[in-house]
Amino acid sequence: AQSVTQLDSQVPVFEEAPVELRCNYSSSVSVYLFWYVQYPNQGLQLLLKYLSGSTLVKGINGFEAEFNKSQTSFHLRKPSVHISDTAEYFCAVSDQSSASKIIFGSGTRLSIRP
Amino acid sequence: DGGITQSPKYLFRKEGQNVTLSCEQNLNHDAMYWYRQDPGQGLRLIYYSQIVNDFQKGDIAEGYSVSREKKESFPLTVTSAQKNPTAFYLCASSPGRLLDTQYFGPGTRLTVL
Repeated sequence: AQSVTQLDSQVPVFEEAPVELRCNYSSSVSVYLFWYVQYPNQGLQLLLKYLSGSTLVKGINGFEAEFNKSQTSFHLRKPSVHISDTAEYFCAVSDQSSASKIIFGSGTRLSIRP
Repeated sequence: DGGITQSPKYLFRKEGQNVTLSCEQNLNHDAMYWYRQDPGQGLRLIYYSQIVNDFQKGDIAEGYSVSREKKESFPLTVTSAQKNPTAFYLCASSPGRLLDTQYFGPGTRLTVL
């Protein structure tokens, strides 16, 4: 069975500082990986996804993530955050043989201080 | 504009009553999903449907029911058998395969009094 662990429930950073949100997964098979963002009282929006190929994935709003198979990680990074990045971020995984389900992590709340 | 609509945004019900949450999409997507979101627990899959007139249980289907009579609609009924129904419910759709991006609706916050 797959699982996703987001190691930090909350991450406070100052505006224009870099940020890394951590995500580790466990799976016995090859996986697809996703990062979604949820702004307050809204649904989720896809930031980026890793399906295959280059391990460095670039997404919307200046975010990127790197797939590290040996460390089973898919950390999300942004070199300089803005107040508008305040949101909850979810890492998700699905195995490549499944045609049905994505498993979501518990989320990381990113708060930006001016 | 194409997208997913969920109604209502806020819903209050008395304990013991069934309640149906609406989800409509005009994206012509084959697959639709219902998730439950609780604080600190992320999203958990309740039911999903990959094609009209077919649906499968997710991880926490007990106390819930769905139907998929039309491609664009996937209503969720929260029955009185659901022990702790107060939560934020999110509907999503995707073109078909899992690697396709899931598009989420704005959610319905259900409070059972």
